[in-house]
Amino acid sequence: ETGVTQTPRHLVMGMTNKKSLKCEQHLGHNAMYWYKQSAKKPLELMFVYNFKEQTENNSVPSRFSPECPNSSHLFLHLHTLQPEDSALYLCASSLGSGGTYEQYFGPGTRLTVT
Amino acid sequence: AQTVTQSQPEMSVQEAETVTLSCTYDTSESDYYLFWYKQPPSRQMILVIRQEAYKQQNATENRFSVNFQKAAKSFSLKISDSQLGDAAMYFCAYRETSGSRLTFGEGTQLTVNP
Repeated sequence: ETGVTQTPRHLVMGMTNKKSLKCEQHLGHNAMYWYKQSAKKPLELMFVYNFKEQTENNSVPSRFSPECPNSSHLFLHLHTLQPEDSALYLCASSLGSGGTYEQYFGPGTRLTVT
Repeated sequence: AQTVTQSQPEMSVQEAETVTLSCTYDTSESDYYLFWYKQPPSRQMILVIRQEAYKQQNATENRFSVNFQKAAKSFSLKISDSQLGDAAMYFCAYRETSGSRLTFGEGTQLTVNP
């Protein structure tokens, strides 16, 4: 247990569905991240939030919509997804957003888009 | 743009033996951080070891040590006295000193044989 939890752990959704992924950290951190891990590809950073403000969007399609209501919670709202969006979605948090701060990862949500 | 390359998709080692995983990276920065993460079948990403580029001394954490060659832009991980629990996917990652983005390599799948 790293202090970062993600729900659900597995999600199957159709291309017309709307669903949300939730991440919660119990570490008192101020920065939170969404990463996408696809088969045979390196982890890709999607979004960065620092003190609830989005500081980085790595050219992510608008069908992925993040929300950070406070420093402890991060959501990823999904709508009109494509089969190629099937992947493991990892949330991470760190005390600060600079390079010296270690990122702690959650266990991930395995998403399958049918 | 920074890139991280792991040229060994798979490696295997006998229990109690030593194995070295390779990683090279490309950057124009002089100060940065390098990491090795472990991802076991549970998919939980766990930090194994980190290295600050300004430090000449190689980092060590118990059975894990790195060989950091800054001029060659090489950052290998040595696992001594390998244990069955070391079996996992290992990712090399890079992060700028002032940045929030972790750039990952493609990963090396390590198998530990009893």
